[in-house]
Amino acid sequence: AQSVSQHNHHVILSEAASLELGCNYSYGGTVNLFWYVQYPGQHLQLLLKYFSGDPLVKGIKGFEAEFIKSKFSFNLRKPSVQWSDTAEYFCAVNSLKRAGNMLTFGGGTRLMVKP
Amino acid sequence: KAGVTQTPRYLIKTRGQQVTLSCSPISGHRSVSWYQQTPGQGLQFLFEYFSETQRNKGNFPGRFSGRQFSNSRSEMNVSTLELGDSALYLCASSLFGDGNEAFFGQGTRLTVV
Repeated sequence: AQSVSQHNHHVILSEAASLELGCNYSYGGTVNLFWYVQYPGQHLQLLLKYFSGDPLVKGIKGFEAEFIKSKFSFNLRKPSVQWSDTAEYFCAVNSLKRAGNMLTFGGGTRLMVKP
Repeated sequence: KAGVTQTPRYLIKTRGQQVTLSCSPISGHRSVSWYQQTPGQGLQFLFEYFSETQRNKGNFPGRFSGRQFSNSRSEMNVSTLELGDSALYLCASSLFGDGNEAFFGQGTRLTVV
């Protein structure tokens, strides 16, 4: 079955620490990849996306992600986190084998940044 | 431009009742998808509508249904509510085409008692 795995359910970091959140997917064929963030009390917002081209993509608020096709991975990184990055982060995949827009989400990673 | 609007924001229903949730997509977006978010199961895809037709469907029972109107607004309906249907229901809109990014609304928090 197609699935998306996020390795860390909870991450606690101090401000200025570096962040890397893992995401692996099990899909054959071409996929579009996304990272979404959900701040407390707010709606899901797109951080960044990968459709094709340069496998290193940059998103908002200093986040970036690297697509490694051979590893079916799309890890999210940020060199220096801030307290305001405290949120839940979701990796999502849309398989292009099927027409339409249907996201499969990972289980999410709750990030807490200590001031 | 205005984002995805979902109404109502909060809803309390009794087991066995039915409920209808509404979603207005971003202007110009023709694809509307619905997701269920729960602490136990995470974010799960319910269905997608495009041009008033259901284009994709997730693994939910037939009690969950939806529709889309000619102005792209969408509704989802849950009949014979069960306690386990308590969740945050999220609507997302996308441009036409395949695999596009989804823009999410604030969600409707449904509590079944």
